[in-house]
Amino acid sequence: EADIYQTPRYLVIGTGKKITLECSQTMGHDKMYWYQQDPGMELHLIHYSYGVNSTEKGDLSSESTVSRIRTEHFPLTLESARPSHTSQYLCASSEGHRLKAYFGPGTRLTVL
Amino acid sequence: AQKITQTQPGMFVQEKEAVTLDCTYDTSDPSYGLFWYKQPSSGEMIFLIYQGSYDQQNATEGRYSLNFQKARKSANLVISASQLGDSAMYFCAMREVQADKLIFGTGTRLQVFP
Repeated sequence: EADIYQTPRYLVIGTGKKITLECSQTMGHDKMYWYQQDPGMELHLIHYSYGVNSTEKGDLSSESTVSRIRTEHFPLTLESARPSHTSQYLCASSEGHRLKAYFGPGTRLTVL
Repeated sequence: AQKITQTQPGMFVQEKEAVTLDCTYDTSDPSYGLFWYKQPSSGEMIFLIYQGSYDQQNATEGRYSLNFQKARKSANLVISASQLGDSAMYFCAMREVQADKLIFGTGTRLQVFP
């Protein structure tokens, strides 16, 4: 049903590496979101975007950055990964406040 | 500031019984939407049901219904005739029209036993 994709699905990386988590959607949605979720825990909003060239920080402080150069693409970058960044990262998109958000499958990141 | 509270970390229900998962919220925006999502152990987020703040009737989607009590600021999810496949984490979420952020509660882990 949902045309929203995240790559990679799983990533194991060493401390200090720069990484980019990809998120793409083909539904033409203006609004996109990044959430961080530890296993079995709540989702924390870390970044969101209203459209091209719009990015906002979420409620949970994050060392990551995002960009929105194209409507369909909302990548998240960590300049220097640390073990504390180990988590699942979920990307979502939606069109309009009354409509549901579609979620990608998530990226499980492990930083050693 | 918008806030979602789910006070039940875990719930058990027997197969074929009904179960209610609690959700309360806080917002100063008169216009908002409330959502419930299911997250099985695979980690995907599955949309279940939506309720708008101006909707007069409670939302229903198959075995799912949302008990919306606006004055109490509660939006409880009712699952009728529970099935083993309903075992999962359930998250309540809210989006204000003004802020337009989609925020989630802490979740309730539901376990359905035979």
